[in-house]
Amino acid sequence: GNSVTQMEGPVTLSEEAFLTINCTYTATGYPSLFWYVQYPGEGLQLLLKATKADDKGSNKGFEATYRKETTSFHLEKGSVQVSDSAVYFCALRVQGAQKLVFGQGTRLTINP
Amino acid sequence: EPEVTQTPSHQVTQMGQEVILRCVPISNHLYFYWYRQILGQKVEFLVSFYNNEISEKSEIFDDQFSVERPDGSNFTLKIRSTKLEDSAMYFCASMGLNNEKLFFGSGTQLSVL
Repeated sequence: GNSVTQMEGPVTLSEEAFLTINCTYTATGYPSLFWYVQYPGEGLQLLLKATKADDKGSNKGFEATYRKETTSFHLEKGSVQVSDSAVYFCALRVQGAQKLVFGQGTRLTINP
Repeated sequence: EPEVTQTPSHQVTQMGQEVILRCVPISNHLYFYWYRQILGQKVEFLVSFYNNEISEKSEIFDDQFSVERPDGSNFTLKIRSTKLEDSAMYFCASMGLNNEKLFFGSGTQLSVL
């Protein structure tokens, strides 16, 4: 079946550190891939997405590249801020489907 | 930016009781969803709803669950007889016709005692 696996959290970093949150997927066909972020007390928000192989999604300094050969969509940011503290969810949607398949989420805490 | 609103933010109920979780999707959206996340586990799809009927549901969404759009603005999830294992955060989401972006509410934390 279709599934998403994220690196286990929680992740704690200092401000300005480099961030990587790993995400790999299993899917039939060619899914679209997403990163959602949930700030404290809020709903999940779309952070970035990529719809085909080698596409790079980017937003707010975060990037992720759709790697078909490694079935991965790792989230990266060069210099994190305290305001990036949140839970990050990797997700996929297979072609023709409406539902998203999520990973378990990774809690990120950035210390000043 | 428009928001999906969920109420209540926390709900505590006794096992066997019925609960209704409420959501107000974004006003011009046409696709509606419920997801849930049991503590420490993945966010799981429950059901999608379009054109006043269920378009897809997961194995979790058994006869104890139902959804309704009673008045054109609210979208509710009813659990008829709650079990301990229904304790989770329940997220409502909606999407417009362009199928581009899913908007989520901030969730209802359901605790079944």
